[in-house]
Amino acid sequence: KQEVTQIPAALSVPEGENLVLNCSFTDSAIYNLQWFRQDPGKGLTSLLLIQSSQREQTSGRLNASLDKSSGRSTLYIAASQPGDSATYLCAVSTSGTYKYIFGTGTRLKVLA
Amino acid sequence: DVKVTQSSRYLVKRTGEKVFLECVQDMDHENMFWYRQDPGLGLRLIYFSYDVKMKEKGDIPEGYSVSREKKERFSLILESASTNQTSMYLCASSFRKGQFFGPGTRLTVL
Repeated sequence: KQEVTQIPAALSVPEGENLVLNCSFTDSAIYNLQWFRQDPGKGLTSLLLIQSSQREQTSGRLNASLDKSSGRSTLYIAASQPGDSATYLCAVSTSGTYKYIFGTGTRLKVLA
Repeated sequence: DVKVTQSSRYLVKRTGEKVFLECVQDMDHENMFWYRQDPGLGLRLIYFSYDVKMKEKGDIPEGYSVSREKKERFSLILESASTNQTSMYLCASSFRKGQFFGPGTRLTVL
């Protein structure tokens, strides 16, 4: 059974710092991996999608990498800003169903 | 851009009432999902639909049912609301380019 873990559960950093959020999964037979952002009381906003054949994706200050063999993905945020404060979740889908298994998230606080 | 809308942002109901939560997506996605999200428990899948009139139970289907009569609309039904169904309910749709979420409905059952 696929399990997704995100460590740490919470993180506080000063503004301007580069940071890395981690996501690990137990079964490497994934279809794709998606990173989301969630603000308090809101829905999830898709940040980046990495398909199983890809190694990384970039959008602005965000870069996500995928290493299926080790069961890991990282989300790199460059030059963090207070507006980046949110909970970040990763999710993996298994082949054929498009069902997603979610991690419990990392709550990020960027201090001004 | 994909747009997923949910019928209400906030809803307050009484124990025993029948509750309908509606979700509409505008991207012709085959797959639609209902989750609930509770502090410390993360997102839990209630039901999943991969086509019109097709549904599949998720991890916590008890106390819920769903309806998908049209491709763009997926409804979650609480047959007899109970206080332990107070939660944030999130709808999503997906195809090859990932999963996309609505804004959520905060349901309180008194």
